[in-house]
Amino acid sequence: KAGVTQTPRYLIKTRGQQVTLSCSPISGHRSVSWYQQTPGQGLQFLFEYFSETQRNKGNFPGRFSGRQFSNSRSEMNVSTLELGDSALYLCASSFGQVAGELFFGEGSRLTVL
Amino acid sequence: GQQLNQSPQSMFIQEGEDVSMNCTSSSIFNTWLWYKQDPGEGPVLLIALYKAGELTSNGRLTAQFGITRKDSFLNISASIPSDVGIYFCAGQASGTYKYIFGTGTRLKVLA
Repeated sequence: KAGVTQTPRYLIKTRGQQVTLSCSPISGHRSVSWYQQTPGQGLQFLFEYFSETQRNKGNFPGRFSGRQFSNSRSEMNVSTLELGDSALYLCASSFGQVAGELFFGEGSRLTVL
Repeated sequence: GQQLNQSPQSMFIQEGEDVSMNCTSSSIFNTWLWYKQDPGEGPVLLIALYKAGELTSNGRLTAQFGITRKDSFLNISASIPSDVGIYFCAGQASGTYKYIFGTGTRLKVLA
């Protein structure tokens, strides 16, 4: 079956701009979570959605937001981009139950100039 | 941000050698996951552990859920060049739906 699909794979933005990243989960998965990966901070949890509701949120500023649609697809948005937002943004999907396995997409590499 | 302690940070080993790495947490976890990540790609799930003391294998990989529920171990036997990559652990605490990730172990295999 098809895996987790993230678009775009690569993008370059300038400071102050905003960006929207998209994630299509594995068919049947209702939970989508987002992570930011940087060399210095590793994998940091952003937020998790289940059936269009945000269940968990990490310690990121309000510039980072997300949403989930009725078909379980999810988007995350970063407004007023800063240089430090340059990172690999990873989406993971699961069935959404406690102790579920996470399956990651290949990520969206964001570079902020 | 919150991260699990993972060691070693990096390893250089000869092809054919066995590898061991571990993750420790100050919190009790109900689930441990182990991942491998290649450059420019997303992490790939290797093994999932759900019970304290559980030992699970996936080919040459074996992982264990620590008895204290605060640690987990991954062993790779007879390493090969394609084992090169970064290995991450991830733990999920009771009552939460989010996973906390380890700092990663970078593995390099010398042929």
